[in-house]
Amino acid sequence: DAKTTQPPSMDCAEGRAANLPCNHSTISGNEYVYWYRQIHSQGPQYIIHGLKNNETNEMASLIITEDRKSSTLILPHATLRDTAVYYCIVRVSYNTDKLIFGTGTRLQVFP
Amino acid sequence: KAGVTQTPRYLIKTRGQQVTLSCSPISGHRSVSWYQQTPGQGLQFLFEYFSETQRNKGNFPGRFSGRQFSNSRSEMNVSTLELGDSALYLCASSLSGGGYSYEQYFGPGTRLTVT
Repeated sequence: DAKTTQPPSMDCAEGRAANLPCNHSTISGNEYVYWYRQIHSQGPQYIIHGLKNNETNEMASLIITEDRKSSTLILPHATLRDTAVYYCIVRVSYNTDKLIFGTGTRLQVFP
Repeated sequence: KAGVTQTPRYLIKTRGQQVTLSCSPISGHRSVSWYQQTPGQGLQFLFEYFSETQRNKGNFPGRFSGRQFSNSRSEMNVSTLELGDSALYLCASSLSGGGYSYEQYFGPGTRLTVT
């Protein structure tokens, strides 16, 4: 079973920031938080990952709470092309690539 | 750099037949994983390979098998197809080796329809 909980759906206006929450209260000390997204009928796309510090790349920012029990993915200026299902996944950082996907959050960006 | 490629992209098979799907990882990636995606079960992990060895396996029946070649390309095989095997089969590759695990990059998938 997935070790994360996400809201099933969210809406966001184009140009505004999209903030996608994720709860992972049972995360272990050696587990990272990863975010992927899947645009309809395509393969999932890696977005960002982090352990305990906030991370930023060209796609998004990841904010992890100090107790590491939850995190937020931020898309700073959402566009229509960001409409997708977003998956938050916790995984260990060694010896396996296995990802356990939950049901994710369906983000709808509207004009 | 070319992404993960999967062939064929679409496939229609009949119950009882078998099928082989192919995956070519990103150049330099040695780890390949396979996933099945269905509307009912979502994305589920099938198995992963590194250096031609199966490193991990998901909870699927023995009809599902895979292998990896010395050039890191991978194939998965499903024998005695059932209607429930209709799904999008996704392959992912990464730089992961014997220690640290890196992010995975997914291919476009193979859409298998079993009639």
